[in-house]
Amino acid sequence: RKEVEQDPGPFNVPEGATVAFNCTYSNSASQSFFWYRQDCRKEPKLLMSVYSSGNEDGRFTAQLNRASQYISLLIRDSKLSDSATYLCVVRPMDSNYQLIWGAGTKLIIKP
Amino acid sequence: GAGVSQSPSNKVTEKGKDVELRCDPISGHTALYWYRQRLGQGLEFLIYFQGNSAPDKSGLPSDRFSAERTGESVSTLTIQRTQQEDSAVYLCASSLGLGGGAIAYEQFFGPGTRLTVL
Repeated sequence: RKEVEQDPGPFNVPEGATVAFNCTYSNSASQSFFWYRQDCRKEPKLLMSVYSSGNEDGRFTAQLNRASQYISLLIRDSKLSDSATYLCVVRPMDSNYQLIWGAGTKLIIKP
Repeated sequence: GAGVSQSPSNKVTEKGKDVELRCDPISGHTALYWYRQRLGQGLEFLIYFQGNSAPDKSGLPSDRFSAERTGESVSTLTIQRTQQEDSAVYLCASSLGLGGGAIAYEQFFGPGTRLTVL
């Protein structure tokens, strides 16, 4: 079993729709959680950190469920520019400053 | 301020040649990471440097791969006797690597070096 698992997609979604991704992690002692975004042929960039109480940044909402060991990302009112691969990232306890990366979920927003 | 820079941006080489890839991290970042990303695939961890500690080389795929870092600055990734399966984008990232909180762990990536082995 991979340490961080994501549905690879692609998710094909019409513009304006709401889309949600889940990501599961295997290490129950994981400490920090992030969503990164990677555009085609570009480097990954931080989208948002995920806090225990859940957090929102504009159209983006991240949730953490420690009991079930998954994190989620919700995108409301999706835009064409949201098309990208979304990477789920986890920091296990005692990992120093290393992160464990999911393989990513590809999102395609269609007009 | 300046982000992570990598050079060259593209490298085409012949099978069997050695290549050297360079990474300049963000000033003040103590942690530096190298990843490999094959076309359409996820990030593959290669090596991690943290301050003056011994690097974590657990992700290097073979002894043809090596990396060095001078203090808390520039790093070079060397691939000897390149093979066609080495063709990929090699991404370097750095993070603050000090203290706690999300800001310490956020990794900032360079634009990558696209390596093509003919």
